[in-house]
Amino acid sequence: DAKTTQPTSMDCAEGRAANLPCNHSTISGNEYVYWYRQIHSQGPQYIIHGLKNNETNEMASLIITEDRKSSTLILPHATLRDTAVYYCIVRVARNYGQNFVFGPGTRLSVLP
Amino acid sequence: EAGVAQSPRYKIIEKRQSVAFWCNPISGHATLYWYQQILGQGPKLLIQFQNNGVVDDSQLPKDRFSAERLKGVDSTLKIQPAKLEDSAVYLCASSLTELNYGYTFGSGTRLTVV
Repeated sequence: DAKTTQPTSMDCAEGRAANLPCNHSTISGNEYVYWYRQIHSQGPQYIIHGLKNNETNEMASLIITEDRKSSTLILPHATLRDTAVYYCIVRVARNYGQNFVFGPGTRLSVLP
Repeated sequence: EAGVAQSPRYKIIEKRQSVAFWCNPISGHATLYWYQQILGQGPKLLIQFQNNGVVDDSQLPKDRFSAERLKGVDSTLKIQPAKLEDSAVYLCASSLTELNYGYTFGSGTRLTVV
């Protein structure tokens, strides 16, 4: 599975949009981009995933560049409860299950 | 939908002792995973089950770690004997086997080896 590069940490003001970048320059055509987050003392939580097109759900939006070498997770109106470590993962869907390889992620701090 | 249940929530043991963790996945999820998360790092896969069979245990330290998933539902992860470097959070996750479906993680068991 392709490796990803994320900033170690980011700050965001409460109520503002949080834009978390992820570089995956070696992504292959059949690999999806997934985002998870981990709030303190909890297990990781699935947020969103996509292949080529931009995606939006109730939690966030995922913007994937046309060449697919990078993506951005957008939390439109960050709250204090969005403070967490955010993981960007690229992986190919295997037909016997899904093995995600987690890197160190980005620690997002939402400030009041 | 009930989440992934794990117990105990916390465990403190002395080195060379043994310990076991339990996981109950979401009903109907055929795939179950155990991850180890050392402080400050992302989770690392230890073992993956498909029903009651092992799919991937390449990163499981088999000299001291063992896991089973009898009847394809609940799972236990055991460490015997424990070392100081085993101090970590042990996370269980489950998923449907359909493509592109995300995992659901439990809250984990925090193990401290002293």
